[in-house]
Amino acid sequence: QSALTQPASVSGSPGQSITISCTGTSSDVGGYNLLSWYQQYPGQAPKVIIYDVSNRPSGVSDRFSGSKSGNTASLTISGLQAEDEADYYCNSYSSSSTPHYVFGPGTKVTVL
Amino acid sequence: EVQLVESGGGLVQPGGSLRLSCAASGFSFSGYWMNWVRQAPGRGPEWMTNIKGDGSQTHYVDSVRGRFTISRDNAKNSLYLQMNSLRAEDTAVYYCARDGQARGVFDIWGQGTMVTVSS
Repeated sequence: QSALTQPASVSGSPGQSITISCTGTSSDVGGYNLLSWYQQYPGQAPKVIIYDVSNRPSGVSDRFSGSKSGNTASLTISGLQAEDEADYYCNSYSSSSTPHYVFGPGTKVTVL
Repeated sequence: EVQLVESGGGLVQPGGSLRLSCAASGFSFSGYWMNWVRQAPGRGPEWMTNIKGDGSQTHYVDSVRGRFTISRDNAKNSLYLQMNSLRAEDTAVYYCARDGQARGVFDIWGQGTMVTVSS
């Protein structure tokens, strides 16, 4: 059972922008900038697309952007493309209990 | 090529044990924190444990602490996960993942190895 919450699904038409939220607490999302986003296609391992809230690894499209306000982080996909249809997971450092990392339950993005 | 390759998964009975391995190549293995992350069928990933580059520090999620042990052999560029007292709820694909920034940025993942706990 994840300590972070994400919408189960988000959809949009090609070219549109969509935003996925990731809500936690002051012990995780709100307390640290150690927030990353992962994209996962069926049968594949996750791939990091955003780290430290808003940084993109080399090679990741600039259509992906991240931000954070309080205990909620957001991933925005601009200019939605068919290839963006995948599952998206947020991940945060958490100081609750013993220090560890926690993933969100995931958001299925559908391109209409 | 930077690569992680897991092995050792399979079918095990409840209460049994299994040891997973992860072979690293293409990077300076000893310089990175390494992690095990699992993903149950139809569920999101779950971070389980990590180990510092020199092996001096380890952390575990509560659900596996005391049952699972992470270790590494830097001379062999290998990461291990010893899993004891396995339960049905441990059924998942197990991934090893490199922390590229030493702060939870899992930038390199293996292909995963499936562990099924069932009688």
